[in-house]
Amino acid sequence: GIQVEQSPPDLILQEGANSTLRCNFSDSVNNLQWFHQNPWGQLINLFYIPSGTKQNGRLSATTVATERYSLLYISSSQTTDSGVYFCAVFGNAGNMLTFGGGTRLMVKP
Amino acid sequence: SQTIHQWPATLVQPVGSPLSLECTVEGTSNPNLYWYRQAAGRGLQLLFYSVGIGQISSEVPQNLSASRPQDRQFILSSKKLLLSDSGFYLCAWTGTANTIYFGEGSWLTVV
Repeated sequence: GIQVEQSPPDLILQEGANSTLRCNFSDSVNNLQWFHQNPWGQLINLFYIPSGTKQNGRLSATTVATERYSLLYISSSQTTDSGVYFCAVFGNAGNMLTFGGGTRLMVKP
Repeated sequence: SQTIHQWPATLVQPVGSPLSLECTVEGTSNPNLYWYRQAAGRGLQLLFYSVGIGQISSEVPQNLSASRPQDRQFILSSKKLLLSDSGFYLCAWTGTANTIYFGEGSWLTVV
């Protein structure tokens, strides 16, 4: 099956700093999503981004499907950005979503 | 608009007791439904998925089972819980766009 790897696994930032999270995948995909899991466990959809670039406030994401990676940018980080960020992909051959291992982000005040 | 709900939100069960987690989706028809488990705060493991009523695929052998008695209802069950079944369980659905949406999650502690 398709492999999804995220980096870094852990990240500590000072409030106000910027960061880039990376998601690599091993095969062609027809969907890629970024999620934020808050401390209560809830998974929040951030972006649906099989290709191209999208922005939503301080967050933006870029997927380069031909090179099989996606990046999530967090600018001017806030303590509420803390949590785990997951990327997940649907491969072209199947209807299952494969998750990366996540990046655990801690933003310190 | 579409919504997904699962319950109970939290439960503490003794080893050997049965389990039933329920998930329902509203506002859509014929969704693909999923059960995921997350242990130790990282890594979602796909347990079961269903593309239609009565159609269940299992990804991981275990003492859990799933059923889909109605189009928008997905149930996760166990006859006898193990300590290793503790974790955070998430139900999810996808439609034709392959965008996945998750329920609120259920925290299970087996004691």
